[in-house]
Amino acid sequence: TAGITQAPTSQILAAGRSMTLRCTQDMRHNAMYWYRQDLGLGLRLIHYSNTAGTTGKGEVPDGYSVSRANTDDFPLTLASAVPSQTSVYFCASSEGVSGTQYFGPGTRLTVL
Amino acid sequence: GQNIDQPTEMTATEGAIVQINCTYQTSGFNGLFWYQQHAGEAPTFLSYNVLDGLEEKGRFSSFLSRSKGYSYLLLKELQMKDSASYLCAVTDSNYQLIWGAGTKLIIKP
Repeated sequence: TAGITQAPTSQILAAGRSMTLRCTQDMRHNAMYWYRQDLGLGLRLIHYSNTAGTTGKGEVPDGYSVSRANTDDFPLTLASAVPSQTSVYFCASSEGVSGTQYFGPGTRLTVL
Repeated sequence: GQNIDQPTEMTATEGAIVQINCTYQTSGFNGLFWYQQHAGEAPTFLSYNVLDGLEEKGRFSSFLSRSKGYSYLLLKELQMKDSASYLCAVTDSNYQLIWGAGTKLIIKP
């Protein structure tokens, strides 16, 4: 079983450009999450989705948008990238909203 | 505000025992998780506590005291592969997971 996959693995992006980070899970989990992880800081929640068709804002949602058209996919879009969005992005999923979260391998994004 | 505190870094010797502490102040409590994260990799689930007491899983144990807002992760018979960051996270009253910054554990031979 693949679990959760993310693409791309890494990306260098020019400031002002848009980009979509992809996340797909095959565990039929209801809830999905996007986090960013920066050195010295804990994982910070960007957006989440408790079930297909619904999304919510996390701690640091500005500059990011998400959609949840189906159970398996949860893409994260940066409409106009800025250097402060340079980070490692992790997608995660859980069976329910309070369940154990399982993480994808991450996307390392550099915005120049 | 909500806060999770854990030491930034700890050093221990191969074969020894180490205890990583975590204290939390959150709006409500619905469980505490410990994750392990090797450098350059994703966090992986280690343990979950929702009731007071000790949960043992092989070389790893996790303890919770809800009245004190305190947990620890105990690692026994340390191996070099245990060198990683250990993340403490608490589920609050809204079922959001609040993360600590993590403790980097360095194992020396």
